[in-house]
Amino acid sequence: TQLLEQSPQFLSIQEGENLTVYCNSSSVFSSLQWYRQEPGEGPVLLVTVVTGGEVKKLKRLTFQFGDARKDSSLHITAAQPGDTGLYLCAGAGGTSYGKLTFGQGTILTVHP
Amino acid sequence: GAGVSQSPSNKVTEKGKDVELRCDPISGHTALYWYRQSLGQGLEFLIYFQGNSAPDKSGLPSDRFSAERTGGSVSTLTIQRTQQEDSAVYLCASSSQGFRSYGYTFGSGTRLTVV
Repeated sequence: TQLLEQSPQFLSIQEGENLTVYCNSSSVFSSLQWYRQEPGEGPVLLVTVVTGGEVKKLKRLTFQFGDARKDSSLHITAAQPGDTGLYLCAGAGGTSYGKLTFGQGTILTVHP
Repeated sequence: GAGVSQSPSNKVTEKGKDVELRCDPISGHTALYWYRQSLGQGLEFLIYFQGNSAPDKSGLPSDRFSAERTGGSVSTLTIQRTQQEDSAVYLCASSSQGFRSYGYTFGSGTRLTVV
């Protein structure tokens, strides 16, 4: 069974601070995705990374895929209260053919 | 439709009763997935359908859980003889065959509470 471990599980910070969320596995994935989920809603795709070492930026969010395609990170610069939510990483490929394997999520709270 | 639609949005049921949860995917999406989420945590895979292929039922936690997809579109997840541990948010998602790049589109979920 492929597992994705996210850390930290909870993150509570002040507006303006920077943060990094990690997603690690012992398995290789063909692609890795990051989702953000708000209360009462389903997760929404933020980004997909495919190539080992790839870096993608989405405004204040920076996503990186590890060289070996086993891990990924999400870095948020100057966090804002609107960034509050549950962040999930999800991997595709390997033994989980045809479906995504999700991490346990990181609950981020940004205080004004 | 424009998005994935799930109904009901909330369901409270008594222990031992059967429940049916419905998912209406995005038109044209060939794959449909059911996941379960407890207490704002990660997603636990339940079952997925891809076109006319046999569904992957490897995530169903017990034989009380079943799902069908009619006409390659609407899906129903049925839980028989519900137990308190079945309480969770049940999320449905659909995707094209390019899910590895374009990801899933999720519905807003059905919050199931077994009392």
